[in-house]
Amino acid sequence: TQLLEQSPQFLSIQEGENLTVYCNSSSVFSSLQWYRQEPGEGPVLLVTVVTGGEVKKLKRLTFQFGDARKDSSLHITAAQPGDTGLYLCAGAGGSGNTGKLIFGQGTTLQVKP
Amino acid sequence: DTAVSQTPKYLVTQMGNDKSIKCEQNLGHDTMYWYKQDSKKFLKIMFSYNNKELIINETVPNRFSPKSPDKAHLNLHINSLELGDSAVYFCASSRGLAGAIGELFFGEGSRLTVL
Repeated sequence: TQLLEQSPQFLSIQEGENLTVYCNSSSVFSSLQWYRQEPGEGPVLLVTVVTGGEVKKLKRLTFQFGDARKDSSLHITAAQPGDTGLYLCAGAGGSGNTGKLIFGQGTTLQVKP
Repeated sequence: DTAVSQTPKYLVTQMGNDKSIKCEQNLGHDTMYWYKQDSKKFLKIMFSYNNKELIINETVPNRFSPKSPDKAHLNLHINSLELGDSAVYFCASSRGLAGAIGELFFGEGSRLTVL
């Protein structure tokens, strides 16, 4: 069974700080997605990374896919209260999981003003 | 217009009852899913349908029965509810065939509480 492990599970920081969330697996994925979920809502896609070593930026958020396509990271620069939420990584297309996304357990981020 | 809508949003019921959750998507997507999110926020796939055909059926008790009357609708019926069924159930959809996962569009979730 493929697993994605996210760390840390909880993060509480002050506005303006930087942070990094990690998503690791022993399995190779053809692509990896990051979602953000706010209370009472469903997850919303932030980014998809496909190529090993790929880096994508979304304003203050930087996403990286590991060279071996087994891990990914999300870095937030100068976090703001609006970044508060649950961040989920999800892997697709790995061995034995055609047609489904495997989700990590999530990282709950709280940014205090 | 809401892209993926599911009803009801909240459901409180007694153990042993049968309940249904309905989902509709107006995105024209071919594939729809049911995910279960537990109290620790872990999202796990339950079922997936592509053009009304069941393509993913994870290890889910057979008390859970999905039905897709057409590719825009995917309902979930649960028989003989148990305490452990309490969770938030998310419907989602994606474009294209099962082997090429694109963006998942999620509904707002249906919070089921079994007493």
